[in-house]
Amino acid sequence: GENVEQHPSTLSVQEGDSAVIKCTYSDSASNYFPWYKQELGKRPQLIIDIRSNVGEKKDQRIAVTLNKTAKHFSLHITETQPEDSAVYFCAANFGNEKLTFGTGTRLTIIP
Amino acid sequence: EAGVTQSPTHLIKTRGQQATLRCSPISGHTSVYWYQQALGLGLQFLLWYDEGEERNRGNFPPRFSGRQFPNYSSELNVNALELEDSALYLCASSLWRSGAGETQYFGPGTRLLVL
Repeated sequence: GENVEQHPSTLSVQEGDSAVIKCTYSDSASNYFPWYKQELGKRPQLIIDIRSNVGEKKDQRIAVTLNKTAKHFSLHITETQPEDSAVYFCAANFGNEKLTFGTGTRLTIIP
Repeated sequence: EAGVTQSPTHLIKTRGQQATLRCSPISGHTSVYWYQQALGLGLQFLLWYDEGEERNRGNFPPRFSGRQFPNYSSELNVNALELEDSALYLCASSLWRSGAGETQYFGPGTRLLVL
């Protein structure tokens, strides 16, 4: 079936350290993997995405890696800051542009 | 560029009533997606419309329905409301090119409370 598993569900990191969130997906045909950040009471905001023809993508302090063979992808945030505190969702498409989301990771940056 | 807009921001209904939620996509976007986000939970896919047609449907009962208008705006209708329908309903839009995996941009959501 169409499934995206996300770990961990909660993550606390000292300010300045790195945070890593991992997702696995079930359909080898998936070709698009976005990551969204949702702050309390706000809409999900796309922070980075990757397509299946690329293994890694970076945007300043944020990077995403994709392992198609193992069917998993990860979000890496370096030099974390208090404003990085939010819930992060991974997602994968399962054909027809339908996105299936992971269950979310609540990231807390400890000052 | 204006983002995705949704109305109303909040909606309070009682069990058995009907709710209508509205979404306007980013100008130029032809696809609209609806998601349900129950409190503290993830996003569950409801419906996808493109060019006025329903393209895909999530695992929700038929009392969840919708439509897309010629100007690409969309309505989500929920009939015979149940308490567990209380959630944040998010709309997203994209410019769909088949198989490309297009970025979906979210609106602020409509918070529906069923009493």
